[in-house]
Amino acid sequence: KAGVTQTPRYLIKTRGQQVTLSCSPISGHRSVSWYQQTPGQGLQFLFEYFSETQRNKGNFPGRFSGRQFSNSRSEMNVSTLELGDSALYLCASSVGAGGYNEQFFGPGTRLTVL
Amino acid sequence: GNSVTQMEGPVTLSEEAFLTINCTYTATGYPSLFWYVQYPGEGLQLLLKATKADDKGSNKGFEATYRKETTSFHLEKGSVQVSDSAVYFCALSPAGGTSYGKLTFGQGTILTVHP
Repeated sequence: KAGVTQTPRYLIKTRGQQVTLSCSPISGHRSVSWYQQTPGQGLQFLFEYFSETQRNKGNFPGRFSGRQFSNSRSEMNVSTLELGDSALYLCASSVGAGGYNEQFFGPGTRLTVL
Repeated sequence: GNSVTQMEGPVTLSEEAFLTINCTYTATGYPSLFWYVQYPGEGLQLLLKATKADDKGSNKGFEATYRKETTSFHLEKGSVQVSDSAVYFCALSPAGGTSYGKLTFGQGTILTVHP
């Protein structure tokens, strides 16, 4: 079974631009979560989608948004990029919504904002 | 709120040494607990998990036991290899409520194993 895939793997943008990252979950997984990983803040939860509905959101500004499609693929968008948005963005999928369902992570998208 | 605290790193060991990485948590009820590993340039891989008190998760020689009384989930391995060099993250997932899909992570512990 194919794992979680994320595209693109690397991205360089300048301040003020916007960016869209894509995540394809493992086949059959309906929950997709997004995380931001930085050296200073560690791993922080952005949001979670299940059956095209955002059910949980972390403490990030409204510039960070996401959506999920009917095939469970998900995208996240960051508008008006700031230098501090430079990070590794990780997507994770799981079968369902329960906390006992482990999350499987993709390789991440490395975003650099200049 | 929920939180996870890992021992300060980095940890440097010689091959075949014993490994312990401490992890304690704060959460209500009975969360699920996980250890993830991250190799350079890669995403996180699930190493092991435990979903209820006294459960022992194990994988690839690593073990961790869910201790409700001490709110701990320490990672251990009897004999580390150079290939175990990576960053290790302890994480929890709440048992229910509205925290769907949200894993709370510790700060990570860098492990370096020398030949």
